[in-house]
Amino acid sequence: DAKTTQPTSMDCAEGRAANLPCNHSTISGNEYVYWYRQIHSQGPQYIIHGLKNNETNEMASLIITEDRKSSTLILPHATLRDTAVYYCIVRVNNDMRFGAGTRLTVKP
Amino acid sequence: DARVTQTPRDKVTEMGQEVTMRCQPILGHNTVFWYRQTMKQGLELLAYFRNRAPLDDSGMPKDRFSAEMPDATLATLKIQPSEPRDSAVYFCASGPEGLARYNEQFFGPGTRLTVL
Repeated sequence: DAKTTQPTSMDCAEGRAANLPCNHSTISGNEYVYWYRQIHSQGPQYIIHGLKNNETNEMASLIITEDRKSSTLILPHATLRDTAVYYCIVRVNNDMRFGAGTRLTVKP
Repeated sequence: DARVTQTPRDKVTEMGQEVTMRCQPILGHNTVFWYRQTMKQGLELLAYFRNRAPLDDSGMPKDRFSAEMPDATLATLKIQPSEPRDSAVYFCASGPEGLARYNEQFFGPGTRLTVL
């Protein structure tokens, strides 16, 4: 399975866009990029996923580079409730491997 | 609002005791996963089932851990005997029918296990 690299932590001002990067340089052609987040003391929550094209849903946007070696999760207007650990995962089947993730802190 | 439920939410036990954790997947979901989370190791996949059949339990210590799905509405994770190093939060997740690559996994609230 491809591995991912994410910054350990990031801060973002409330109301601003949060851009969380992820490197997955060894991703293979049939592996999808998934993003989950985990708010303190809760189970992980699905955010979004994509293969090649950029994706958007009610929670976030996912921008995948053309070579698919990296991606960015964008929370367009971060709120205090978006403070969480964000996991970038590449997977082709149900074997989903979580890394350390990025701890995003949204500040007032 | 369909959710994965887990019981108990907290469990404190003594070393050597048997521990059973239960999970009720979302109705209609045919894949069930067990994860363990510790500060040191992060989130680790222990086992997963499709249509109640175990597909992969390579992440689970076989000598003391066992996972089963007695029916479609119940998944269990047992530890016998428990050890202090088993202290962790155990999450259950379920996913819907369909191509695996498209499947979201819906996580329960977790069982916080402390083995003294």
